[in-house]
Amino acid sequence: KQEVTQIPAALSVPEGENLVLNCSFTDSAIYNLQWFRQDPGKGLTSLLLIQSSQREQTSGRLNASLDKSSGRSTLYIAASQPGDSATYLCAVMGNNNDMRFGAGTRLTVKP
Amino acid sequence: EAGVTQFPSHSVIEKGQTVTLRCDPISGHDNLYWYRRVMGKEIKFLLHFVKESKQDESGMPNNRFLAERTGGTYSTLKVQPAELEDSGVYFCASSPSLTYGYTFGSGTRLTVV
Repeated sequence: KQEVTQIPAALSVPEGENLVLNCSFTDSAIYNLQWFRQDPGKGLTSLLLIQSSQREQTSGRLNASLDKSSGRSTLYIAASQPGDSATYLCAVMGNNNDMRFGAGTRLTVKP
Repeated sequence: EAGVTQFPSHSVIEKGQTVTLRCDPISGHDNLYWYRRVMGKEIKFLLHFVKESKQDESGMPNNRFLAERTGGTYSTLKVQPAELEDSGVYFCASSPSLTYGYTFGSGTRLTVV
């Protein structure tokens, strides 16, 4: 059974810092991995989708990497802003079309 | 294109009552999923439809939960009778295929009192 772990559970940084969120998964037989953002009381917004054959994806200040063999993904946020404050979720999709989520990292960027 | 829409956004019901949540996926998306997040815990899979068929319902917690997707369009998730531990946020997602990932709705926050 796939298990997804996110570290740290919470992170607080001053504005302008670069930061890395970590995601690990136990079963490397995945189809893709997706990073989401959830704002309080809101739904999930997809940030980046990495197919199993890819190593990384970039969108603006966000860069996600995937090392399938070691069961790891990182989300790098450059030059963090207060508007980046949210919970970031890593989700792994298995080959049988099931998606498993980590518990999330709650990020606070202080002005 | 319109996103995934969920109704209602919030629902407060008493223990023992029935609640029905609705999800309208993106038009043309054959895959529809239900997930829920109980307070303080990770988001967990409930079930997966491919068109009107239940592909995987291994995450449904018990027989108080009933999901339907008649005609392969919108889906409903009924909880009857609701219990306190059913409180949480219920998310619906849709996808045309594995390649494109999921699009999530805004969720329905269910509070059972």
